[in-house]
Amino acid sequence: AQSVTQLGSHVSVSEGALVLLRCNYSSSVPPYLFWYVQYPNQGLQLLLKYTSAATLVKGINGFEAEFKKSETSFHLTKPSAHMSDAAEYFCAVSGGRSGGSNYKLTFGKGTLLTVNP
Amino acid sequence: DAGVIQSPRHEVTEMGQEVTLRCKPISGHNSLFWYRQTMMRGLELLIYFNNNVPIDDSGMPEDRFSAKMPNASFSTLKIQPSEPRDSAVYFCASSFGASGRNLADTQYFGPGTRLTVL
Repeated sequence: AQSVTQLGSHVSVSEGALVLLRCNYSSSVPPYLFWYVQYPNQGLQLLLKYTSAATLVKGINGFEAEFKKSETSFHLTKPSAHMSDAAEYFCAVSGGRSGGSNYKLTFGKGTLLTVNP
Repeated sequence: DAGVIQSPRHEVTEMGQEVTLRCKPISGHNSLFWYRQTMMRGLELLIYFNNNVPIDDSGMPEDRFSAKMPNASFSTLKIQPSEPRDSAVYFCASSFGASGRNLADTQYFGPGTRLTVL
């Protein structure tokens, strides 16, 4: 079974500041990890995904995330926030290559990012 | 590419009525997922189809919910009878994978249907 904990349901940063959204996961098998973004009244869009290759994953819009197995973390960062980054961000885990029900994505509760001018 | 298409975008109905949500996946995708999003429970997988066949419906809340995928380009999620606790945003997502069970495949989400049951 997998689970995801996103620390902080709401993060507020100033424009130009570092964005750090935290995600910790629990998985009984080597996981695949994902970050999705949801803009108001829209569906989820994939930002980036970790599939057991490089531990530092670069995504769209300048975001990146680092897989740290020892910390069971997959935090999302962006060096400089832009107003257009304001959205809700979801971390998700699946069972990777374990087979079985590895098609299931388990999502965290989401972190709402606001960017102040 | 039009992306995943869902209709209607908004649905308001009264308790006891039948509700049908529709989804057109991205052409060529062989996996389709229905999710429900609520404030209390977040995003939950309701059902997963692969090559039009339901593989896992363990997330379907109860018998009032049913889903079909008659062909590769169309799926429905039906609630009959609807109840106020069914109020949520329902998302459809699709993906393509050679095996159909590889979750490195990116899931592409539709814009969702916001359902309100009065």
